[in-house]
Amino acid sequence: AQSVTQLDSQVPVFEEAPVELRCNYSSSVSVYLFWYVQYPNQGLQLLLKYLSGSTLVKGINGFEAEFNKSQTSFHLRKPSVHISDTAEYFCAVILFSGGYNKLIFGAGTRLAVHP
Amino acid sequence: DTAVSQTPKYLVTQMGNDKSIKCEQNLGHDTMYWYKQDSKKFLKIMFSYNNKELIINETVPNRFSPKSPDKAHLNLHINSLELGDSAVYFCASSQGGAGARKGEAFFGQGTRLTVV
Repeated sequence: AQSVTQLDSQVPVFEEAPVELRCNYSSSVSVYLFWYVQYPNQGLQLLLKYLSGSTLVKGINGFEAEFNKSQTSFHLRKPSVHISDTAEYFCAVILFSGGYNKLIFGAGTRLAVHP
Repeated sequence: DTAVSQTPKYLVTQMGNDKSIKCEQNLGHDTMYWYKQDSKKFLKIMFSYNNKELIINETVPNRFSPKSPDKAHLNLHINSLELGDSAVYFCASSQGGAGARKGEAFFGQGTRLTVV
């Protein structure tokens, strides 16, 4: 089973509209969850992370995500997107294997914000 | 001051050649990684080193050989390059290998390798 699944490969949205990028994780992995963003021709930058505590996590650039244990989900949301949010977004989990952790990524969701 | 730096940023080479990509981190982290991102943007871990020791080696052809001269450096050498090796290679680092599950990873800007 996939450790982490991003349900949408592409999400088109108009500027100033709300957006939700979906992520589900396997219950067999740890519940250390991350969202990374990759702008065109750049490396990955951490948006936010859930390690413990409050299930609503706030990140940079107005993004937030909610950890839902019963639904094994960690969906990313933003109430109003900008053109500059156009990028690839990756959900990731820590997989603890062989005494060490591995950061495993989902397949990514391309967010395309249109004027 | 760049936290994780890779060189070169772009690399175009012919099939059969041998090439190296260098990575350095100045964050004081003890764990470093190489990831491969294919044309569909899928990111797959290749290797991980903790304190210069290889701890993760995914099913990567043995033409790929990582080398970690010290904790701050993890280089990737590729022998006999093939067309299918064309991808973007990312170096990353984090604090914590064994037993540490909270290791947020910091990524370099990537090296776009094109094999012709």
